[in-house]
Amino acid sequence: QVQLVQSGSELKKPGASVKVSCKASGYTFSNYGMTWVRQAPGQGLEYMGWINTKSGNPTYAQGFTGRFVFSLDTSVSTAYLQISTLKAEDTAVYYCARDLIGVPGSSLMWWGQGTLVTVSS
Amino acid sequence: SSDLTQDPAVSVALGQTVRITCQGDSLRNYYTNWYQQEPGQAPVLVIYGKNNRPSGIPARFSGSSSGNTASLTITGAQAEDEADYYCNSRDSSGNHWVFGGGTKLTVL
Repeated sequence: QVQLVQSGSELKKPGASVKVSCKASGYTFSNYGMTWVRQAPGQGLEYMGWINTKSGNPTYAQGFTGRFVFSLDTSVSTAYLQISTLKAEDTAVYYCARDLIGVPGSSLMWWGQGTLVTVSS
Repeated sequence: SSDLTQDPAVSVALGQTVRITCQGDSLRNYYTNWYQQEPGQAPVLVIYGKNNRPSGIPARFSGSSSGNTASLTITGAQAEDEADYYCNSRDSSGNHWVFGGGTKLTVL
């Protein structure tokens, strides 16, 4: 069965960086893109973008360019989200998700458990 | 502001039918997906594409669309349907995906 397991909660100071991992299992990793979604406390879901797991090419949504980087380690079926120069407003739960029908960003059937990133001095 | 607009809150009496709507120009050209999210949990896909339910989603959930408005209908709402619901489709440029702001459903 498809599973996405994310790394644990992080507490970081403003200006630091964080790297969240998402380990996939139960399917051929390179056959489906990986989507990233953010949810700030008490707020809605925000689509951050996705990474092509075959080519490694990332696509970032508006508002998620510059400090946000998607990457892969295909040898261990893992996708990563790195955020640099953290700000208080980056405090959120970050989810990785896989689509059902081969269209990244849509029909997100499988989700990681979420990683809470807290930015506080 | 989101390209997809949802009512912040909707309520329904137990066993009655409720429609949750999502408006956006892109919905004239693209299908809408719907997600259910309970507090502290990851979202769950309940409707995708034209009107498809993933395995395990009850038949009381259905999707439809007309013009610039997509709808999620719950026919015979149950107490366990109380949750936040999000629509998801293309943005106005058609280049990216986007979520609506979410609708909090209360079952009375």
